[in-house]
Amino acid sequence: EVQVVESGGDLVKPGGSLRLSCAASGFTFSHAWMSWVRQAPGKGLEWVGLIKRKTDGGTTDYAAPVKGRFTISRDDSKNTVYLQMNSMKTEDTAVYYCTTEGLAVAGDWGYFDYWGQGALVTVSS
Amino acid sequence: QLVLTQSPSASASLGASVKLTCTLSSGHSTYAIAWHQQQPGKGPRYLMKLNSDGSHNKGDGIPDRFSGSSSGAERYLTISSLQSEDEADYYCQTWNTGIRVFGGGTKLTVL
Repeated sequence: EVQVVESGGDLVKPGGSLRLSCAASGFTFSHAWMSWVRQAPGKGLEWVGLIKRKTDGGTTDYAAPVKGRFTISRDDSKNTVYLQMNSMKTEDTAVYYCTTEGLAVAGDWGYFDYWGQGALVTVSS
Repeated sequence: QLVLTQSPSASASLGASVKLTCTLSSGHSTYAIAWHQQQPGKGPRYLMKLNSDGSHNKGDGIPDRFSGSSSGAERYLTISSLQSEDEADYYCQTWNTGIRVFGGGTKLTVL
């Protein structure tokens, strides 16, 4: 059974930093592209960024609101993907979801085929 | 600019059918999309990938009551034999190189 489990959510002050982790199981982690998606309270879903698998270069892409402040990395030996958030703003307050790409149909990238339950991040003074 | 447009709300009666719409922005009518369901208080769940020709592949355990279809720039999600647990937010999502885009979501109320 595919599972992705987020951890590390917390209360952070504006300007502060936080790192989220996402532990994966039930699939070959190194084969998947991984994304982070967030949802502000009472709002819709917003894509944050993605990291490709190493055989596709392991490169990252980010949404405009977080580019230059957030960094996604992965450790295939630990089946874990990370979201490092720096220079945080109040508008970063959200539930952050870890998602997979390319599992429902192997190598079919672009859509999120498994989701975690989310980690709450609150940015407030 | 790649944009998805959804109606904010929809409603239908228990046991009936409902068709939700997601519209692709001009110039993007051939794009595939994915549908995701988010029940109250839960994380989202992948329902299906829907291609421009109407072909679709569903996620694990998604009932046959859920189906997809396409016409031009419109992508549809039809839910038949509505059940109370279908009351949820439904999001369409698409992609291009380096970006992923969500529609604003449709809140479905089952009467």
